[in-house]
Amino acid sequence: GEDVEQSLFLSVREGDSSVINCTYTDSSSTYLYWYKQEPGAGLQLLTYIFSNMDMKQDQRLTVLLNKKDKHLSLRIADTQTGDSAIYFCAETPPLSGNNRLAFGKGNQVVVIP
Amino acid sequence: DAGVIQSPRHEVTEMGQEVTLRCKPISGHNSLFWYRQTMMRGLELLIYFNNNVPIDDSGMPEDRFSAKMPNASFSTLKIQPSEPRDSAVYFCASSPPTGAPHNEQFFGPGTRLTVL
Repeated sequence: GEDVEQSLFLSVREGDSSVINCTYTDSSSTYLYWYKQEPGAGLQLLTYIFSNMDMKQDQRLTVLLNKKDKHLSLRIADTQTGDSAIYFCAETPPLSGNNRLAFGKGNQVVVIP
Repeated sequence: DAGVIQSPRHEVTEMGQEVTLRCKPISGHNSLFWYRQTMMRGLELLIYFNNNVPIDDSGMPEDRFSAKMPNASFSTLKIQPSEPRDSAVYFCASSPPTGAPHNEQFFGPGTRLTVL
């Protein structure tokens, strides 16, 4: 089934690293995603990882995938005030087709200057 | 491209009134999604369309909610009658035809609905 779980709140000082975690239940997902929602805006795709990869690095972002434990994490290096947002992990439910995504509840990150 | 367009951005109405939310997806996209976001329940998928056809409306809370997509460039979500518990931010998202290696949904800015 589709059940994506995330913790709720994280505060981090500017310049530090932040790590957001997510667990999912559907091991057949081909891709897993991180979306970012800035205040007053819709969600925007931040990065994604193919399920046969363990890690993906994209500038300040590092995505780690542990398929055995169904655990996905997002690390943001040198966190900046513009990183304050809600972060959602998401997966494609099986047999859904049509680009449907199952989102977690989101993790709010607050960056303290 | 202007992105997904939603209107109105804010709506305040009284309980019992009809509310209509509007969405224009990105041109060329063939899937459209309606979501509701609240603090308590997070982001919920209400309904989605593929090629203007409703595929899954199991997330629609009850019969007071209805959604239509009369053509590829327009969709509405209607609540009649509205209730205070419908207060939320409603997002519309669209995505291009399957074929890309990964799915990406493009979200509109949302409509913040307050039902008094």
